[in-house]
Amino acid sequence: DTGVSQNPRHKITKRGQNVTFRCDPISEHNRLYWYRQTLGQGPEFLTYFQNEAQLEKSRLLSDRFSAERPKGSFSTLEIQRTEQGDSAMYLCASSLDTLQYFGAGTRLSVL
Amino acid sequence: AQTVTQSQPEMSVQEAETVTLSCTYDTSESDYYLFWYKQPPSRQMILVIRQEAYKQQNATENRFSVNFQKAAKSFSLKISDSQLGDAAMYFCASQGGSEKLVFGKGTKLTVNP
Repeated sequence: DTGVSQNPRHKITKRGQNVTFRCDPISEHNRLYWYRQTLGQGPEFLTYFQNEAQLEKSRLLSDRFSAERPKGSFSTLEIQRTEQGDSAMYLCASSLDTLQYFGAGTRLSVL
Repeated sequence: AQTVTQSQPEMSVQEAETVTLSCTYDTSESDYYLFWYKQPPSRQMILVIRQEAYKQQNATENRFSVNFQKAAKSFSLKISDSQLGDAAMYFCASQGGSEKLVFGKGTKLTVNP
């Protein structure tokens, strides 16, 4: 059990650029979640996959955000045309049941 | 919709003492779970303890225990014999019919030597 892995750990980008984050869940976990955490706040749910199917998306996930989980393994979260308000920690979690295990997150800074 | 409220932005405790972190929640679900997560500085979120709402018995995990008051929708965390390594942000979270976790804003716990 190597835990949930997220890459990169830090990403600095200029406004208007596209960025992509990767999450590798704990092997055999069929559920994968993305959350966003801004400074001084708790994580907020973005989206959830069961295997390769994206089952729920938050209203926070604007049209500029897209997530995929091909073959039900790793997942990617892409943000197009980044804005300064996208600066946050993006957390990934995986689970087999109700217990979600989190990765260390990707910190995005949009300049 | 589910909401989780943590009314204590910061708490402090002396090493070896006991501290209680408060959490209230609201949900229309009849079956749900409640969690406390710990987030040390610049480190990942770690599960501290989980409570199933249908269980009346309060969950315990070593030095960590909860006081679950279902009618009052209260779910506090007690940390006994506090250690320096307990210093972190603590988040209360609920999970209802949807798979997602709904988090409070967190309580920053400082442990003084």
